[in-house]
Amino acid sequence: GQQLNQSPQSMFIQEGEDVSMNCTSSSIFNTWLWYKQDPGEGPVLLIALYKAGELTSNGRLTAQFGITRKDSFLNISASIPSDVGIYFCAGQSSNQFYFGTGTSLTVIP
Amino acid sequence: DVKVTQSSRYLVKRTGEKVFLECVQDMDHENMFWYRQDPGLGLRLIYFSYDVKMKEKGDIPEGYSVSREKKERFSLILESASTNQTSMYLCASSLWVPETEAFFGQGTRLTVV
Repeated sequence: GQQLNQSPQSMFIQEGEDVSMNCTSSSIFNTWLWYKQDPGEGPVLLIALYKAGELTSNGRLTAQFGITRKDSFLNISASIPSDVGIYFCAGQSSNQFYFGTGTSLTVIP
Repeated sequence: DVKVTQSSRYLVKRTGEKVFLECVQDMDHENMFWYRQDPGLGLRLIYFSYDVKMKEKGDIPEGYSVSREKKERFSLILESASTNQTSMYLCASSLWVPETEAFFGQGTRLTVV
């Protein structure tokens, strides 16, 4: 199955810094999703985007659905230690989900 | 609050054993999925189901089967466990609509020895 191109693969940042990660695809999606996964746990949905161009926030998280419907980005502002984890993007179409390879985020206090 | 529950967090099984992984969702979702997650390989779809008694193969169905006798429950079966099936298994569910989200269970870490 298709895997989405997600970058960067890993990030090491200082507490308080902003973070940006993105996903691209060769296919068009109906929905873009962003998840966070802690070690040994299942992914938890952070943000869902349904419309091209849509910009949605959830606390310190902001995500956008690209105009071409083939990309999305996630920003985290003012990072804190509990932001540590792996972030996945996912695109959805025809009742199927396609996942990015993940961005591992480390926040240094 | 949406809930997908997997029956076990950790399992250790012996090679050749038949293994059952159970998943239950309480959101009346039509779609249910089983994925496995391995370092460097991401999430790979094993099987999915759009309805009761209905199943479709995903990308890596070999060595697995599934059962969906009730809408809320989707079981993954390893007919004869092998060491290369040691992995994190994730169940997910979603609505059957054009724009939808997947909700995941907490995962089952299976080790086959």
